[in-house]
Amino acid sequence: GDSVTQMEGPVTLSEEAFLTINCTYTATGYPSLFWYVQYPGEGLQLLLKATKADDKGSNKGFEATYRKETTSFHLEKGSVQVSDSAVYFCALTSGSARQLTFGSGTQLTVLP
Amino acid sequence: NAGVTQTPKFQVLKTGQSMTLQCAQDMNHEYMSWYRQDPGMGLRLIHYSVGAGITDQGEVPNGYNVSRSTTEDFPLRLLSAAPSQTSVYFCASSLRPTGAGYGYTFGSGTRLTVV
Repeated sequence: GDSVTQMEGPVTLSEEAFLTINCTYTATGYPSLFWYVQYPGEGLQLLLKATKADDKGSNKGFEATYRKETTSFHLEKGSVQVSDSAVYFCALTSGSARQLTFGSGTQLTVLP
Repeated sequence: NAGVTQTPKFQVLKTGQSMTLQCAQDMNHEYMSWYRQDPGMGLRLIHYSVGAGITDQGEVPNGYNVSRSTTEDFPLRLLSAAPSQTSVYFCASSLRPTGAGYGYTFGSGTRLTVV
């Protein structure tokens, strides 16, 4: 079945540091890939997505590139802010699967 | 502009009690689903629906029932609550159920504690 493996957390960074959260996947067919963000006490919000190989999703300074050859979709941001502190989930849908398959989530804390 | 609305936000139940978690969306989405979120396990699918009158099981369906009589509503029923059902529950909807780039819209969650 489909699966998503995410970098273990928690991750603690200083403000303006560079962020990478690794995500790799296994899937049948040709998946669509997503990053979701969950701020404290809230639901999940779609951060960015990519639907085919070499697509780059981007939003709010975050980027991720769909790498079919390495089955990866790593999340990056050049300069994090305190307000980026949240839990980040990598997820995919593929083929006829009627669900999002999630990674376990990565807690990010950004210190001023 | 409500999106996906979940009620209640918090609930404490005693073992063996029953309750219904409500979920409503106003985006005319075909697909609705329920996930539970547990520490270190990401989100796991409980049940889903691809339209009114059509439901199916997800990864962890035991102990939960669903029905979908309208496009807008997708309630989740716990018939006899157990401590193992202590979790945060999220309802999500999408225009279409499968990939093709459609993201899901999530509600703000229901935090359930079973004592």
